[in-house]
Amino acid sequence: EIVLTQSPATLSLSPGERATLSCRASQSVSSYLAWYQQKPGQAPRLLIYDASNRATGIPARFSGSGSGTDFTLTISSLEPEDFAVYYCQQRSNWGMYTFGQGTKLEIK
Amino acid sequence: QVQLVQSGAEVKKPGASVKVSCKASGYTFTSYGISWVRQAPGQGLEWMGWISAYNGNTNYAQKLQGRVTMTTDTSTSTAYMELRSLRSDDTAVYYCARDGRITMVQGVIITTANAPDAFDIWGQGTMVTVSS
Repeated sequence: EIVLTQSPATLSLSPGERATLSCRASQSVSSYLAWYQQKPGQAPRLLIYDASNRATGIPARFSGSGSGTDFTLTISSLEPEDFAVYYCQQRSNWGMYTFGQGTKLEIK
Repeated sequence: QVQLVQSGAEVKKPGASVKVSCKASGYTFTSYGISWVRQAPGQGLEWMGWISAYNGNTNYAQKLQGRVTMTTDTSTSTAYMELRSLRSDDTAVYYCARDGRITMVQGVIITTANAPDAFDIWGQGTMVTVSS
């Protein structure tokens, strides 16, 4: 099973700052790497798919990059509504998915 | 609009079974798959399995093999997830999500054209509590 490790576990920043979240895979993954945002009491929301494609309706301040084993989600300038938990996700070639353990983005 | 609406909260005793439904609307049900994801209180996301709404093919997470069954009813555009032999650590919010993977053919993943190959629509979640 491919393990995804997200870092940091918690990131404390202020509105207007740039956020950089990391997701590292235990072995090279296919192009399938997605990022989700989850706020308390809500279902997750898709932000990024195929490592770098923004989902419909996602603001341009969210961007994804990376390939192989190292991936990054960047939020260029934090808005108050961006403080949440972020998860990365991969799918193996035989169709099994795993999620990272999450990064909590909190207000400093 | 495109949405997934799940059935209501459940309380079950250890050893019992639970069946959660997920009704799709606003899109062609058989052009996508449905994945199920659960989240224990205060914990992260755990993928449980996937079912093709096109032909009923399934993939289950290894740790749930033998306890979980996923099905669909294309006449009502509804997906179902049944979990048996419930334990206290099955207490969680259970989500269904629209999955861009339509099916697998001879090990090759077939995805929906012009749609994200990811979980782009989620149900509201169903709380399942297992307690004696």
